[in-house]
Amino acid sequence: KAGVTQTPRYLIKTRGQQVTLSCSPISGHRSVSWYQQTPGQGLQFLFEYFSETQRNKGNFPGRFSGRQFSNSRSEMNVSTLELGDSALYLCASSFQTALNTEAFFGQGTRLTVV
Amino acid sequence: GENVEQHPSTLSVQEGDSAVIKCTYSDSASNYFPWYKQELGKRPQLIIDIRSNVGEKKDQRIAVTLNKTAKHFSLHITETQPEDSAVYFCAASAKGGADGLTFGKGTHLIIQP
Repeated sequence: KAGVTQTPRYLIKTRGQQVTLSCSPISGHRSVSWYQQTPGQGLQFLFEYFSETQRNKGNFPGRFSGRQFSNSRSEMNVSTLELGDSALYLCASSFQTALNTEAFFGQGTRLTVV
Repeated sequence: GENVEQHPSTLSVQEGDSAVIKCTYSDSASNYFPWYKQELGKRPQLIIDIRSNVGEKKDQRIAVTLNKTAKHFSLHITETQPEDSAVYFCAASAKGGADGLTFGKGTHLIIQP
């Protein structure tokens, strides 16, 4: 069974640009969560989508947005990039049933803003 | 919101010894506590988790304990091996599952041969 797939693996963008990251969850998983990982702040929750609806949101500015498609694939968009947005962006998918809530992470997209 | 503190930030132990990593959380509504292991350049992987209706859970050399009253939980690794070297993250969620996890800052575990 294929794992969580994130594309692209690496990105270099200039300040002020925007970027879109993609996440394909494990087949059958309907929940997709996004996290930002940096050396200073660790792993921070961005938002979670379930059945195309954003259910939870972390404490990030409105420049960070996302969406989920009917096939559960999710995209995350960051507009007006800042140097501080340089990070590893991880998505995680799960079944999100009462008995099965383990989150499986993708390998991440390494975003560098210059 | 939830705040998770994790200690120590770096832990060095001799191969074969035990390692203990501790976390505290602030939101008494948190009810799901997973631990993730992240090797260099790789994705975080769940190694064990515990729910608030359980005080302890074991899986071979790994165990997690939870003290709801004190709002802290710990990861115990016995008979450490070189492949245990990694960064370990604790997390907490009030939603009973993997969405909206609040992570600790991580512990870099170094196993000395």
